[in-house]
Amino acid sequence: RKEVEQDPGPFNVPEGATVAFNCTYSNSASQSFFWYRQDCRKEPKLLMSVYSSGNEDGRFTAQLNRASQYISLLIRDSKLSDSATYLCVVNRNEKLTFGTGTRLTIIP
Amino acid sequence: EAGVAQSPRYKIIEKRQSVAFWCNPISGHATLYWYQQILGQGPKLLIQFQNNGVVDDSQLPKDRFSAERLKGVDSTLKIQPAKLEDSAVYLCASSPGLAGGFNEQFFGPGTRLTVL
Repeated sequence: RKEVEQDPGPFNVPEGATVAFNCTYSNSASQSFFWYRQDCRKEPKLLMSVYSSGNEDGRFTAQLNRASQYISLLIRDSKLSDSATYLCVVNRNEKLTFGTGTRLTIIP
Repeated sequence: EAGVAQSPRYKIIEKRQSVAFWCNPISGHATLYWYQQILGQGPKLLIQFQNNGVVDDSQLPKDRFSAERLKGVDSTLKIQPAKLEDSAVYLCASSPGLAGGFNEQFFGPGTRLTVL
């Protein structure tokens, strides 16, 4: 079983729609959690951290459920510029483990 | 502030040849990472340095891959000899390496390796 699993997509979503990504992780000792964004042929960049209390950054909301070992990302009012691959990432002892990424394309 | 620098950006070699990649981390960052990202997958950690010491190289195929960070700044990753399955993007990342909390990793643009 992979340490971090996420649906690779692709998700093709009309502009303005809401889209949600999910991710599960297998190691209960994982300490912190993140969503990274990776544009085509670019390096990954930190999008946001994920907390049990939930956190929001503009149109983006992330949520962690430690009991279910489940992480989510919600994008509201999607923009064309949101088209990218979204990587679910878990950290244990400063070692990051990445999921395969979910590819999102926003359609005009 | 300058980001993580990597070179070359692209490399095409034939199988069984050797290749080396170079990384210059963000100034002052103590921790340096090399990742391998195969097409359609997420980055996979190959090796982690803290200053010039290896912290984790458990996923580095040591029969063909080697890495060093001699002066605790720049790093090189070498593959000798290369196999077809080594075709991937090799990403270097660095972080401040400060104790007491998570240190964000900043990635370089990567080196895209094609092995023919």
